[in-house]
Amino acid sequence: EDQVTQSPEALRLQEGESSSLNCSYTVSGLRGLFWYRQDPGKGPEFLFTLYSAGEEKEKERLKATLTKKESFLHITAPKPEDSATYLCAVQAPGNQFYFGTGTSLTVIP
Amino acid sequence: DAGVIQSPRHEVTEMGQEVTLRCKPISGHNSLFWYRQTMMRGLELLIYFNNNVPIDDSGMPEDRFSAKMPNASFSTLKIQPSEPRDSAVYFCASRGWGASEAFFGQGTRLTVV
Repeated sequence: EDQVTQSPEALRLQEGESSSLNCSYTVSGLRGLFWYRQDPGKGPEFLFTLYSAGEEKEKERLKATLTKKESFLHITAPKPEDSATYLCAVQAPGNQFYFGTGTSLTVIP
Repeated sequence: DAGVIQSPRHEVTEMGQEVTLRCKPISGHNSLFWYRQTMMRGLELLIYFNNNVPIDDSGMPEDRFSAKMPNASFSTLKIQPSEPRDSAVYFCASRGWGASEAFFGQGTRLTVV
């Protein structure tokens, strides 16, 4: 069964304290791995797509990486405005998207 | 573009009543997805349309749920009759031809009492 697992469930960081979020997956024939950000009361907002092991994408303080079994979202020197829930999703061969349950990030000033 | 538009934003209904959620995808997008989000289960894919045709409805919980896409600019998700366990946030997302990422609406928060 296709599965996406994210860890940790929640993470509290001091402003400037770098860390990483993990997304592990078991999907046959992965077509893409996606990272989204979700703020309270809003829909998920697209961040990155990764297609193959070894690929990396960066946007401001965020960098996403991909291996054959997992992806990491690295947050460098986070700011309070980075506080949100970060969701990982995989695209299966049938074009469906399956999401993990997310990591709730809180950055304390 | 205004993005994916969902209505209503909030819906409170009594158990047993029919509920219809609406979605207008981004113009030109040819794939549409309905998701349900709860604290316990996260985002669950309910149904996926491609070019207005339902491709995969294996996530639809039971016969009380139905979805339609009569044209490229409109889709509905109907629950009849509604039950308290249907309470959740329902999201619609759309994706353009040849694109990989999907864009989400703001969601409809459904409360069944």
